Order: sequence, then C-alpha cells, then structure tokens
Amino acid sequence: NAGVMQNPRHLVRRRGQEARLRCSPMKGHSHVYWYRQLPEEGLKFMVYLQKENIIDESGMPKERFSAEFPKEGPSILRIQQVVRGDSAAYFCASSPDGTSGYEQYFGPGTRLTVT
Amino acid sequence: GNSVTQMEGPVTLSEEAFLTINCTYTATGYPSLFWYVQYPGEGLQLLLKATKADDKGSNKGFEATYRKETTSFHLEKGSVQVSDSAVYFCALSGSGGYNKLIFGAGTRLAVHP
Repeated sequence: NAGVMQNPRHLVRRRGQEARLRCSPMKGHSHVYWYRQLPEEGLKFMVYLQKENIIDESGMPKERFSAEFPKEGPSILRIQQVVRGDSAAYFCASSPDGTSGYEQYFGPGTRLTVT
Repeated sequence: GNSVTQMEGPVTLSEEAFLTINCTYTATGYPSLFWYVQYPGEGLQLLLKATKADDKGSNKGFEATYRKETTSFHLEKGSVQVSDSAVYFCALSGSGGYNKLIFGAGTRLAVHP
C-alpha cells in the first residue's frame, strides 16, 4: 500500500508566479490535511478537506492561497503570485477518518523556494 | 485557543543516555496527544499516541503518559541511540471536534557516540 505521495518534491518559483502542489492520499483515505513548515519552526495547520469539500480553512492566508480535493485525482494546494515569504516546506497528510485520535500519515513534503 | 509547548532544543546526549523531552498543552475538552518524529529531509512519522487521560503510548523504546492533571505528555527513552537523532514534535488533536493537529515548535535531538 503506497504511502502519501506529494509532488513535486522541490519547486522553485520566481516572485509573482503560481505554485501548484499535489497530494495523493493513501488508498482508502478520504480526509486530507495541509500543513506548512517554515524554516526551524513547527508545522502549522492550513486546511482540512474531504472529497469535494473544504471542512476547515482557518489556517489558510486569506489571499492567494486555495485548496481543492476533487472527486477524482489528487488534492491541490495552489499559491498565486508567490512571494519570498511563501518559501517553506508544505506537507500533506491523510487519514481514513476525521475523528480526533486517528493517525495522520504524512507525505515527504514539497519544498517551495521563491526567488 | 489550543496550544502545545515543548522544551527548546537542541538536546545533545551521548549514546545510552536517558532522554526526556517535555511537552505541555492547553486545550478545551479531551484532546488526543501525539509524538511525531522527523528525520532530515523527510516527512513526519507517528512515534506514539494517547487518546485519553492516564493512557501510556509506547513505541521503539519511547514512551509518554497522558497526564491530565498536569496537562503534560513528556517523551522519555531509557537509552538513546545515534539513530534517534531527529526532530521530535508534540501535537494534539480534537480542536473543533475533529482531527486537525496542533504542533509544538519541535525539539532537535542530537545523539553522539
């Protein structure tokens, strides 16, 4: 059973470009979470999605950031008009259930560098 | 709001030394508590968890007990190895009634031979 897959692993964008990060959850998992890790910091929750629904986006910046988890295909985190402060590692996690206490399985992350 | 506080690192130990990494939390209700480990360049892996008061999570020689009276979930290991060198994150879930994780800042552990 393949784990959580993220691509690309490394992404370089110039200021003003768009960044698109993909996450394929583990087979059978319909709950996806995105987290951001700034250098030398812990992970911060961004958004929680189920298939076709955004459940909680309280950690998402109000502008330029969006996320989706369509019925078919991976979850996408989109950052428009990137700025240097967006440089970070973005981790996706999935779980089979959204109830508190279920383990979240993390992907290897996408490291975004904005030049 | 809910939050997690971990002892600051780095923690530097010699092989076979005893390890304690302190973690305290603030939360409403009854959160679940977790320790995750991150090796260089990788994602996070669940190390252990506890879902109710007085539960003890354990794995690979690590253990932590959910102490509601002191709102703590300290990580311990009796004899560390060089391969335990990593960053350790304490986390809680249950905010809003579902599984969103709130992490501490992480504690870097370096074990020397």
